[in-house]
Amino acid sequence: GAGVSQSPRYKVAKRGQDVALRCDPISGHVSLFWYQQALGQGPEFLTYFQNEAQLDKSGLPSDRFFAERPEGSVSTLKIQRTQQEDSAVYLCASSLGAGGTGNTIYFGEGSWLTVV
Amino acid sequence: RKEVEQDPGPFNVPEGATVAFNCTYSNSASQSFFWYRQDCRKEPKLLMSVYSSGNEDGRFTAQLNRASQYISLLIRDSKLSDSATYLCVVRPTPSKLTFGTGTRLQVTL
Repeated sequence: GAGVSQSPRYKVAKRGQDVALRCDPISGHVSLFWYQQALGQGPEFLTYFQNEAQLDKSGLPSDRFFAERPEGSVSTLKIQRTQQEDSAVYLCASSLGAGGTGNTIYFGEGSWLTVV
Repeated sequence: RKEVEQDPGPFNVPEGATVAFNCTYSNSASQSFFWYRQDCRKEPKLLMSVYSSGNEDGRFTAQLNRASQYISLLIRDSKLSDSATYLCVVRPTPSKLTFGTGTRLQVTL
């Protein structure tokens, strides 16, 4: 479809393993966001890209978390040395414009990460 | 204190009932406000934006009170299909949405 696509949908990682989560935003969307949603909680902001520039990474919980969007389209969220507290749904979202109140943000279905 | 606070519920209401959800936010500089709906194991989807003048979309009415930093959502004539989690969302900067924990609604026969 034409929505935000994420892969893998489900990932089980052993503690200490590195994982990479991919996001394909809606074609032409300038803004891309990553959120983390723990069970029973609302999504928490991780990071924001405008094209290839990472303009806000204030929500990344530790230096084990790294995100990139090298060509301004597909983005990857990498988590190194996963810990059990990293278990959550990782949601990617995109919007057409570079910001402002008129831009609807569309979410992907998320990547469900379980660290065992 | 969380930036956006909501009653987690659950709210259990019969079909046809009217139900109201409220939330408060702490960042007085916030400019954009929304209600998102999230079904179980699905992604959040925009339900409606919220304006100071109040806005209505069918059975749904949203209201913003900037002075009190308070946002509300009213659902009239509840349907079974309205069962979901309703997320109060504030956009303090263009690069960030801040979500409440969500209020769970269960509409029953």
